Amino acid sequence: EAGVAQSPRYKIIEKRQSVAFWCNPISGHATLYWYQQILGQGPKLLIQFQNNGVVDDSQLPKDRFSAERLKGVDSTLKIQPAKLEDSAVYLCASSFGQAGNTIYFGEGSWLTVV
Amino acid sequence: QKEVEQDPGPLSVPEGAIVSLNCTYSNSAFQYFMWYRQYSRKGPELLMYTYSSGNKEDGRFTAQVDKSSKYISLFIRDSQPSDSATYLCAMSANRDDKIIFGKGTRLHILP
Repeated sequence: EAGVAQSPRYKIIEKRQSVAFWCNPISGHATLYWYQQILGQGPKLLIQFQNNGVVDDSQLPKDRFSAERLKGVDSTLKIQPAKLEDSAVYLCASSFGQAGNTIYFGEGSWLTVV
Repeated sequence: QKEVEQDPGPLSVPEGAIVSLNCTYSNSAFQYFMWYRQYSRKGPELLMYTYSSGNKEDGRFTAQVDKSSKYISLFIRDSQPSDSATYLCAMSANRDDKIIFGKGTRLHILP
């Protein structure tokens, strides 16, 4: 079974530029999550989708971050404009239902903002 | 006080030793407790999952939850160099609730 796919794996941009990350969840998983993990910290949930609807985006900085999951499968997370403090790993994860305890993570997209 | 506290380490132990990793938490509503392992440059992978208090064993790994003390532990027996990773505790109040992660403890097993 293929895992959660993410791209790009690594990205370096200058502050105020934009960046987009793509995620394809495990086949059949209805719930998709985007987490932000800053170096030395645990993952922090940015947004959770159930199919193509948003379940929780309370910690998404909506002035600069946006995410979509138009067809209920793959998803895109965008940052515009980027700030230095956005340097982090952006982890996509998925789960079969809304059983958020057993979620499967991708390898992450590493963002450095300079 | 943070919801979940975890010593970031690093923790270095010799191969074959028993490792004890711990987290404390403040929210008494937490009922679901998880341990994730994260290798360098990889995403976290679920290692252990327990509900409420008690122990759960899986091979060399034992997860322990003491809700009265708001304290959870992960024990690794016969530690191997391949166990070197960051271990994240995580917890939630209900199955569908947001999962709160600890900062993670970096573990080094010395050959």
